[in-house]
Amino acid sequence: DVVMTQSPLSLPVTLGQPASISCRSSQSLVHSDGNTYLNWFHQRPGQSPRRLIYKVSNRDSGVPDRFSGSGSGTVFTLKISRVEAEDVGVYYCMQGTHWPPWTFGQGTKVEIK
Amino acid sequence: QVQLVESGGGVVQPGGSLRLSCAASGFTFSNYGMHWFRQAPGKGLEWVAFLWYDGNNQNYTDSVKGRFTGSRDNSKSTLYLQMSSLRVEDTAFYYCVRGAHCIGSNCVPPFEFWGQGTLVTVSP
Repeated sequence: DVVMTQSPLSLPVTLGQPASISCRSSQSLVHSDGNTYLNWFHQRPGQSPRRLIYKVSNRDSGVPDRFSGSGSGTVFTLKISRVEAEDVGVYYCMQGTHWPPWTFGQGTKVEIK
Repeated sequence: QVQLVESGGGVVQPGGSLRLSCAASGFTFSNYGMHWFRQAPGKGLEWVAFLWYDGNNQNYTDSVKGRFTGSRDNSKSTLYLQMSSLRVEDTAFYYCVRGAHCIGSNCVPPFEFWGQGTLVTVSP
């Protein structure tokens, strides 16, 4: 199974400042079809997860452009250019290249300082 | 608009059984693979099961193989998860999630739509 490792696990941020979350996979996430199936999700307390990013860098509809995804192979990053209050919660990366199983990182809890 | 509504959660003793349902609407259910995910209270996300669009193929995480069985009724746009031999460690919110739909090499990416979740509590 592919192991996904996120860092940091806790991220206190100042409003208006940038934030960055790292996600590493135990093997390359490049699929034989040439795509890299790496997703990012955001989960607010008491809510279902929401997909933010698919295939490394594609933002979902309605996701603010302050969110961006990047990376390749085994190293990926989610960046928030300027953190807003609504961005608090837990962020998860998830791979969909080598399945089953689909596997998640441990989650990164973002909170406002 | 796409909606996924889970039901069937509750409190059950270890060794017991429960059947979860997920009513889908707003899209052509029979075209999409469907997933079940779960999340123990205060913990991370875990994939549980995947049912292909026609229900003829299924995949399960190792910890539920032989105990959980997924099914779907495409005529009712409903997904099911039959859970038996339940263990304390199965306690979690269970989410129904829309998978991918591919026509040739063009695919609608999976995991955009999630239900609100239903809580399963396994307790003596």
